[in-house]
Amino acid sequence: GAVVSQHPSRVICKSGTSVKIECRSLDFQATTMFWYRQFPKQSLMLMATSNEGSKATYEQGVEKDKFLINHASLTLSTLTVTSAHPEDSSFYICSARPQRYSTDTQYFGPGTRLTVL
Amino acid sequence: QKEVEQDPGPLSVPEGAIVSLNCTYSNSAFQYFMWYRQYSRKGPELLMYTYSSGNKEDGRFTAQVDKSSKYISLFIRDSQPSDSATYLCAMLAGGTSYGKLTFGQGTILTVHP
Repeated sequence: GAVVSQHPSRVICKSGTSVKIECRSLDFQATTMFWYRQFPKQSLMLMATSNEGSKATYEQGVEKDKFLINHASLTLSTLTVTSAHPEDSSFYICSARPQRYSTDTQYFGPGTRLTVL
Repeated sequence: QKEVEQDPGPLSVPEGAIVSLNCTYSNSAFQYFMWYRQYSRKGPELLMYTYSSGNKEDGRFTAQVDKSSKYISLFIRDSQPSDSATYLCAMLAGGTSYGKLTFGQGTILTVHP
């Protein structure tokens, strides 16, 4: 149980295009999902927290107009990187937590590797 | 000063060795402690989850928490080549933190046959 999927697993795009990444909880309902970015040999950096049906909360330094997050259902959150540039190339990982206001742990997706040419 | 400090290694050990991975933290609000394993180009996988001082054992893995010293450890017994991965400690504050995890830098472990 507690499986989280991401799609696509890898994407290569040209500079200036927008890329959408999907995160799905397959066997549980996730009231809260998290989006992380991880650069090579570095730890995970939280980008934003999204609760189903409400606006995402972005971490300091993360541009909300560039990284659009939608959490329209209890099993799906999407991250759209708008007007992507080479510096946006990174490994993007989502996680999902079954309970709101809970200390239940997060279950991570397999990640999406974005390369912007 | 980072809230969570973790030695990035890399750490290389022979098969069968006991591995000790450690993290220190400075935020007294952290109440829940996790260890994740991350293979290359994959998402993190939860290994251990603890919330009280003391030891918690699961197979070859033992998680140790010392809240008075703000220090946590993960021990791996009889290490195997398949244990080669990056190990991340993560911490969660109590209350209405909405589950925001703070990660350590990760320790790269290689177990060679």
